[in-house]
Amino acid sequence: SQQGEEDPQALSIQEGENATMNCSYKTSINNLQWYRQNSGRGLVHLILIRSNEREKHSGRLRVTLDTSKKSSSLLITASRAADTASYFCATDAREDDGSEKLVFGKGTKLTVNP
Amino acid sequence: DAGVIQSPRHEVTEMGQEVTLRCKPISGHDYLFWYRQTMMRGLELLIYFNNNVPIDDSGMPEDRFSAKMPNASFSTLKIQPSEPRDSAVYFCASSPGAGGYTFGSGTRLTVV
Repeated sequence: SQQGEEDPQALSIQEGENATMNCSYKTSINNLQWYRQNSGRGLVHLILIRSNEREKHSGRLRVTLDTSKKSSSLLITASRAADTASYFCATDAREDDGSEKLVFGKGTKLTVNP
Repeated sequence: DAGVIQSPRHEVTEMGQEVTLRCKPISGHDYLFWYRQTMMRGLELLIYFNNNVPIDDSGMPEDRFSAKMPNASFSTLKIQPSEPRDSAVYFCASSPGAGGYTFGSGTRLTVV
């Protein structure tokens, strides 16, 4: 079952612009993660934000987390054509038995036009 | 570390045949996950293991799917018999817990 829901489903911007993708989820989480997937390739981990954190940066990436609204956003600044990919949020929740699992949203397809 | 290793990278098989996908997790990772990705359904968690024990297999589509983890360094996902609707990319991932997931490159399965 899907936990995260990304918004928008598709986003097309010009090189140099910022790209913002949003993610909403339903249950309590330990952390939320963002992944990137180039067409036909595997998933690459971008950034992890823990439930007690509100904002995190990594290079041109900025992630925010609002646990009260159960939402997160991924901002890519000064986008490049090479950023063209699908971006997924995934929630990491602890189960009743103490184990953890990662559940993905359906992703946002980002196209950065040169 | 070589990361999570999946084999084969591509598999084309005829409907009704048995298919076995393989995964070698990162050494020391206690969790192993199998995901399936399709255009229609996105990334779906099929099953995951903790210390070689299956914890949650509620995502396994039906009895034709089975997964095993006989030891900490190897897992298989088997489909028997395969059907065209099983065509997808299957990913394996491992984690030491508390985040830090690493995905394999996936197996692209085509059932004709």
